[in-house]
Amino acid sequence: AQKVTQAQTEISVVEKEDVTLDCVYETRDTTYYLFWYKQPPSGELVFLIRRNSFDEQNEISGRYSWNFQKSTSSFNFTITASQVVDSAVYFCALSDDRANSKLTFGKGITLSVRP
Amino acid sequence: GAGVSQSPSNKVTEKGKDVELRCDPISGHTALYWYRQSLGQGLEFLIYFQGNSAPDKSGLPSDRFSAERTGGSVSTLTIQRTQQEDSAVYLCASSIDRRVGTQYFGPGTRLTVL
Repeated sequence: AQKVTQAQTEISVVEKEDVTLDCVYETRDTTYYLFWYKQPPSGELVFLIRRNSFDEQNEISGRYSWNFQKSTSSFNFTITASQVVDSAVYFCALSDDRANSKLTFGKGITLSVRP
Repeated sequence: GAGVSQSPSNKVTEKGKDVELRCDPISGHTALYWYRQSLGQGLEFLIYFQGNSAPDKSGLPSDRFSAERTGGSVSTLTIQRTQQEDSAVYLCASSIDRRVGTQYFGPGTRLTVL
């Protein structure tokens, strides 16, 4: 069975601080995909990134960066120089390469960025 | 292009009534998914469509829940004889292909059962 653990439930930082959101996953599959989604107060889940299990290169997109380490089954997300607009709930998710590729989500991390 | 749309955005109903929730996926997306988001359970998978077929209904919580998809496009999730525990946000997602596509989500329907 697949499982995603986001141990942090709530994080509060002051604007311009860096913050890292942790994600640990469990799967028996050799081929799988990892995702991060953002859910702002408006409620819509916004896709941020997708990685497949064969690509361990870190990714950077503007102020966002992701660290994928298969050795520790982690896929952590760092926001550099956080801004108030980054305040949201962030979900890490996992899907397999089988019949339906449904997403298994973590419980989410509520990030509050204070001005 | 247009994203995934869902209607209604909010639905308040009385216990025991039937409700229908609608999802319009992104044009050309063959895979369609329904999820439910509730405070106690987080985000849960309900059902998956490939075209008009539903090969995986394993997440539907009871036989009061059913869904269909027509024309490889619009999907309707129906909940019969609603119960208070059905109160949640119902999210629809679509992807261009189940194996290589990323799932893009709609804004959700917030269902409140009184």
